[in-house]
Amino acid sequence: EAGVAQSPRYKIIEKRQSVAFWCNPISGHATLYWYQQILGQGPKLLIQFQNNGVVDDSQLPKDRFSAERLKGVDSTLKIQPAKLEDSAVYLCASSLSWRNTGELFFGEGSRLTVL
Amino acid sequence: AQSVTQPDIHITVSEGASLELRCNYSYGATPYLFWYVQSPGQGLQLLLKYFSGDTLVQGIKGFEAEFKRSQSSFNLRKPSVHWSDAAEYFCAVGAKTSYDKVIFGPGTSLSVIP
Repeated sequence: EAGVAQSPRYKIIEKRQSVAFWCNPISGHATLYWYQQILGQGPKLLIQFQNNGVVDDSQLPKDRFSAERLKGVDSTLKIQPAKLEDSAVYLCASSLSWRNTGELFFGEGSRLTVL
Repeated sequence: AQSVTQPDIHITVSEGASLELRCNYSYGATPYLFWYVQSPGQGLQLLLKYFSGDTLVQGIKGFEAEFKRSQSSFNLRKPSVHWSDAAEYFCAVGAKTSYDKVIFGPGTSLSVIP
C-alpha cells in the first residue's frame, strides 16, 4: 500500500514570495490533515478536510494561507505571501477513521525555508 | 478544546536504562490518546494508542503507556532503552466530536548515551 505522498520535499523562497505544497493521501482515506511543525515544536493543526469539505481551519492564517482538496482526494496548501515565521515543515496526514484504525498516516513532510 | 503538555523538553538516558516520558492532557470528555515517534528526517510513526478498556497499553518497539484518568496523564515507558530509540516523542489527544481532531503536544527529545 502506497503511503502519503508529499512534494516538494524542500523549498527555499524569499519572503513575500508564494509557495504551494501538494499531498496525495492513502487511497480511500476520507480525512486529510495539514500540520505545521516549526523546529523544536510539536505539529500544529492548520486545516482538516473530511472528503472535500473543511471541518476545521481555526488555526489557519487565512490572510496568507489557503488549502483545497478538490474531488476529495489530493490536496494543495498555498502560502502567499510568505513570511519568515512560516519556515517550518508542513506535514500532511490522512486517516480512514482514526477512531477505528487508531492511526494517522503521515507523509515525510515538505520543509520550507523563508529567507 | 483539548490540549496536551509534555513537561520534559529533553531527556538523556543511558542505553539499557529505563525510560518514562510524561504527558498530561486537558479534555472535558473521555480522551483518545496516542504516542508518536519522529526519528531525524523521518515522518511520524504511531507507537501506541488508548481508546478504552485496559489502561495499560502495549505498543511497538517494546513501549507501553498507562492512562491515569485521575491525573490526566498518559506516560510512556520502556524498561530498557536502545540507542536506536533516540528520537522526538509526541503525545497526542483525539477528540470524539463531530469530526476527528488530533492535537499534538510540544514533544520530548530523547538522547541515549551508549
